Amino acid sequence: AQKVTQAQTEISVVEKEDVTLDCVYETRDTTYYLFWYKQPPSGELVFLIRRNSFDEQNEISGRYSWNFQKSTSSFNFTITASQVVDSAVYFCALAPPNDYKLSFGAGTTVTVRA
Amino acid sequence: KAGVTQTPRYLIKTRGQQVTLSCSPISGHRSVSWYQQTPGQGLQFLFEYFSETQRNKGNFPGRFSGRQFSNSRSEMNVSTLELGDSALYLCASSTSGRRDEQFFGPGTRLTVL
Repeated sequence: AQKVTQAQTEISVVEKEDVTLDCVYETRDTTYYLFWYKQPPSGELVFLIRRNSFDEQNEISGRYSWNFQKSTSSFNFTITASQVVDSAVYFCALAPPNDYKLSFGAGTTVTVRA
Repeated sequence: KAGVTQTPRYLIKTRGQQVTLSCSPISGHRSVSWYQQTPGQGLQFLFEYFSETQRNKGNFPGRFSGRQFSNSRSEMNVSTLELGDSALYLCASSTSGRRDEQFFGPGTRLTVL
């Protein structure tokens, strides 16, 4: 069974603050894929990143960065210098190697105040 | 390149009715997945189609069904609607479905009264 836990339900920050979203996962697979999606108020899920379990290198994309630690089954996401446009619900998701479905966490609502 | 489109965007039905939702994937994408999003259960996988064949199915009752056409467009049907079926139904498409990034549509907001 696969499970994704996002312990933080809501996070509120002031613009320009950094915010880190936690994601912990459980899986019996030795290979798997992890994802982060953003869901703005419009409702459409926007793909942010995909990481396979063999690649533990951290990744940075602009103000976004991801810290994958297989030893602790965590795939955390940091927004640096947050902006109001970052306000959204962020989902962490897990997919097994030979399956086609994403298992999502409950999501973390991020509110960035001006 | 046009994104994933879903129609209708909003739908209101009454208990016992049936509903059909439509999803047009990105051109060239052959895999279409459906997800249900509710405040209580979050995002849950319904099923995935590839080349007109259902490859995987989530844990939903048989009232939920789907199909995919030769042009990769997909429909999902919910029969005998229940109040608990009120949700945002999201469709996602990808090239082949295998670990590819999935592109999501804006969803269909279904309200069952």
